[in-house]
Amino acid sequence: NAGVMQNPRHLVRRRGQEARLRCSPMKGHSHVYWYRQLPEEGLKFMVYLQKENIIDESGMPKERFSAEFPKEGPSILRIQQVVRGDSAAYFCASSPGLAGGPVGETQYFGPGTRLLVL
Amino acid sequence: AQKITQTQPGMFVQEKEAVTLDCTYDTSDPSYGLFWYKQPSSGEMIFLIYQGSYDQQNATEGRYSLNFQKARKSANLVISASQLGDSAMYFCAMRERGYGGSQGNLIFGKGTKLSVKP
Repeated sequence: NAGVMQNPRHLVRRRGQEARLRCSPMKGHSHVYWYRQLPEEGLKFMVYLQKENIIDESGMPKERFSAEFPKEGPSILRIQQVVRGDSAAYFCASSPGLAGGPVGETQYFGPGTRLLVL
Repeated sequence: AQKITQTQPGMFVQEKEAVTLDCTYDTSDPSYGLFWYKQPSSGEMIFLIYQGSYDQQNATEGRYSLNFQKARKSANLVISASQLGDSAMYFCAMRERGYGGSQGNLIFGKGTKLSVKP
């Protein structure tokens, strides 16, 4: 029973390049969340998606960042024209999306992608 | 104002002793969930325990228990019989019911680094 999968685990990019981070949720989970963790900090919410829908992107920077969760395949977090300040750990989490509301739904995290921008 | 406050940047505990990690939260939403996650040095985020705002009893999961004091808005994590493998960062997080699209995200504290001494 595989957990949340993220790849790559480590990604090095030069300034101006694009970074693509992938997340496959746990089997049976239809909700995906992306978080960013800067060094010595807690996780900060970026975006919440369901299949083919962005539900909440209030934590996403307005420029260069985008996310999708297509009908088939993994969720993708895309960062265009990366800058050094984008260096961080990016975590994906998933939850089943049960009826009755999301307050009590546990989010299960993937191992994260460590992005380093040179 | 911070929604989740963890006032202990670092804690030490002797192996086999119990330790309490503090967490206070701030919300006006009557429906919310409180979570604790462990992040070992390897970097993954491991779910430990959950407490709902309407739960009458404190949550317990093995050696982990949550001391939930609703009136004081505190949700402290208690680890009994500490083990060397408990050395890690511990994050308290909250999920509010929210309205519209803002239902998904967990709000994290800055974390407490626990070191277990042999």
